[in-house]
Amino acid sequence: DIQMTQSPSSLSASVGDRVTITCRASQSISSYLSWYQQKPGKAPNLLIYTASSLQSGVPSRFSGSGSGTDFTLTISSLQPEDFATYYCQQSYSTPLTFGGGTKVEIK
Amino acid sequence: QLQLQESGPGLVKPSETLSLTCTVSGVPISSNTYYYWGWIRQPPGKGLEWIGTIYYSGSTYYNPSLKSRVTLFVDTSKNQFSLELSSVTAADTAVYYCASQAGFGSGIYFDYWGQGTLVTVSS
Repeated sequence: DIQMTQSPSSLSASVGDRVTITCRASQSISSYLSWYQQKPGKAPNLLIYTASSLQSGVPSRFSGSGSGTDFTLTISSLQPEDFATYYCQQSYSTPLTFGGGTKVEIK
Repeated sequence: QLQLQESGPGLVKPSETLSLTCTVSGVPISSNTYYYWGWIRQPPGKGLEWIGTIYYSGSTYYNPSLKSRVTLFVDTSKNQFSLELSSVTAADTAVYYCASQAGFGSGIYFDYWGQGTLVTVSS
């Protein structure tokens, strides 16, 4: 199985901050990586697919980059509604696997 | 607008079989845009785990860690797909999500999700 490791596991930030979350794969996954946002009690919401493609309806302050084993999700200017947990997911091979999550909290 | 809704018992006894159904609305389950459907679960306070994916024709892809206990099937006449997980233990307690799987080849992702249903395994 491909292991997905996210860092940090949690972070505190202020509204307006630039936030970067990292996801590392245990082997190369090309660009086959997605990012999801999950708020408490809600289903995950797709933000980014194939590493850098923005899902329709997702604000442009979210962006993704990377290929191979190292990927980043960037929020250019953190908004109050962005406080949530973020997950990466690889689809290079089955089983599809998710990272452990990064919780973004209010500073 | 594609919508998914999970249904099934919220409490299952240990060693029994967990059965959930996902009802799809807004598109046919065998549409030319959406035809792969997945199940993902999340134990309370933990991360996400892919359970498996089913093609509208019935082809299945399972997580090897659950493969011996999981069965997915689809009912195109009802626009539903279903999950059965046998011999459950407390470790199977989780919120279970159904989702539409989009993309192609290795570039696949889950773009629409049900609200999730909590299944507790307890006697």
